[in-house]
Amino acid sequence: QVLLVQSGGEVKKPGASVRVSCKSSGYRFTAYYMHWVRQAPGQGLEWMGWINPSSGGTNYAQKFHGRLTMTRDMSINTVHMELSSLRSDDTAIYYCARDYYDTIGNFNFFDYWGQGTQVTVSS
Amino acid sequence: QSVLTQPPSVSGAPGQRVTISCTGTSSNIGADYHVRWYVQLPGSAPKLLIYGDTNRPSGVPDRFSGSKSGASASLAITGLQAEDEADYYCQSFDSSLNGILFGGGTKLTVL
Repeated sequence: QVLLVQSGGEVKKPGASVRVSCKSSGYRFTAYYMHWVRQAPGQGLEWMGWINPSSGGTNYAQKFHGRLTMTRDMSINTVHMELSSLRSDDTAIYYCARDYYDTIGNFNFFDYWGQGTQVTVSS
Repeated sequence: QSVLTQPPSVSGAPGQRVTISCTGTSSNIGADYHVRWYVQLPGSAPKLLIYGDTNRPSGVPDRFSGSKSGASASLAITGLQAEDEADYYCQSFDSSLNGILFGGGTKLTVL
C-alpha cells in the first residue's frame, strides 16, 4: 500500500534552517509529483510548493521564494523540504502530499498525505 | 488572507443538509480550474473528499457532493451525522500565482 512517512518533529531557533523528509513506499516514486503543505496552529492549510521526483524540477509558492528548497533522493525514494531563515510564524505542522494525476479525466488531486511533522521555531 | 473564501463556520442538526461555499476569482475557479474538497479531523492529515469539482473518490459516501458555477464552488452534505464534524477545505489552482490555493477552511459543527 502507498505510504508517506515523514521525519520527526524539530525545534529550531529563529534564523536557523530545518529539513523535513518524506519517504515514499508502495508505488513508483518518480511517477508522481510531491507537494508540501503546512498548517500553523489553529490555522488553515497553506500550499508551499511541489517537486517532480523524476526530474528534480520544482515550483515554489511566491511567499517562500529564496527560503525554500525541495530536493529528492531517488536511491531511497525520499523527498526533502528545507526552509531557511526560520521565524516564529514558521511554527507549523508540515505535510507532504502525493499529487495523483488522472490522465483520462484530466484531474489531479492530493491522494495520499504524510502523517505531518511539527516544526517549532522558538528562541 | 486566502484568495478562496470560505465561511469560517457552519452548523446543522443531525439529518439536515448543509452547504459550504468557496468563492474564488477569475484566475482560479472562475477560469474553470478544477476544485477539490478535503476534510480534516483534529490531529489528522487532510483527506480527499471531492475532486474535479463534482467527483467522489471511492469510499466517500454519496451524502457528499460538489458543484461549481462561475467563480464559486460548493460542498453539500446531506443526512448530517455527528462524525461529519470536522474542518473542510476547498482547493484550486491559480494562474496568476502559478500555484495551488486552499480556502481558509470551514468548521462544521453538528448540533
